Amino acid sequence: GESVGLHLPTLSVQEGDNSIINCAYSNSASDYFIWYKQESGKGPQFIIDIRSNMDKRQGQRVTVLLNKTVKHLSLQIAATQPGDSAVYFCAESGGSNYKLTFGKGTLLTVNP
Amino acid sequence: DTAVSQTPKYLVTQMGNDKSIKCEQNLGHDTMYWYKQDSKKFLKIMFSYNNKELIINETVPNRFSPKSPDKAHLNLHINSLELGDSAVYFCASRPWTGEKDGELFFGEGSRLTVL
Repeated sequence: GESVGLHLPTLSVQEGDNSIINCAYSNSASDYFIWYKQESGKGPQFIIDIRSNMDKRQGQRVTVLLNKTVKHLSLQIAATQPGDSAVYFCAESGGSNYKLTFGKGTLLTVNP
Repeated sequence: DTAVSQTPKYLVTQMGNDKSIKCEQNLGHDTMYWYKQDSKKFLKIMFSYNNKELIINETVPNRFSPKSPDKAHLNLHINSLELGDSAVYFCASRPWTGEKDGELFFGEGSRLTVL
């Protein structure tokens, strides 16, 4: 559902559960995708990235899945912790000029 | 040891004023960016410079003028401030790897409030 005020998609999970944050993109030329985490009052921080020649990439507690057929990207966070509470952004680039275009963020709230 | 630093962090000013936000990175990166984040958290690219050369200039009012005195600095000057300019402005940088992708390193943001 949407958060009143910020109008961001929201995801609320219990501590210890797994979280899945989804992102759709529209540019077929996009060949690089990245997830950022933004905590309140701070700048976006890199989480994980993936190139279009891959469909899955794993990091520490995080996995990014890429489905180019339906232009869909997801971020899975295992064993979600209160410190994971933040706004999560997907971003993509493709074509020229090294431009990273951000999607609408998702607010993740982790309940203890 | 701040990697990308912006000043000021907060800026409150009256409509019609001119203000500047400064950005410096000590990462040795060649490419720097300005992004604007609105009240709905949407991040939109404004400008990008590579080695002091403007390479991205999105549809931004010409009241906004970026200036890059050297590759470690990218400042943003805004003339005749309007209420709609109120936002958080983020500076970011990345190394010029020759590839059209790569992680951007963001500063902590400068919150501009126009009254």
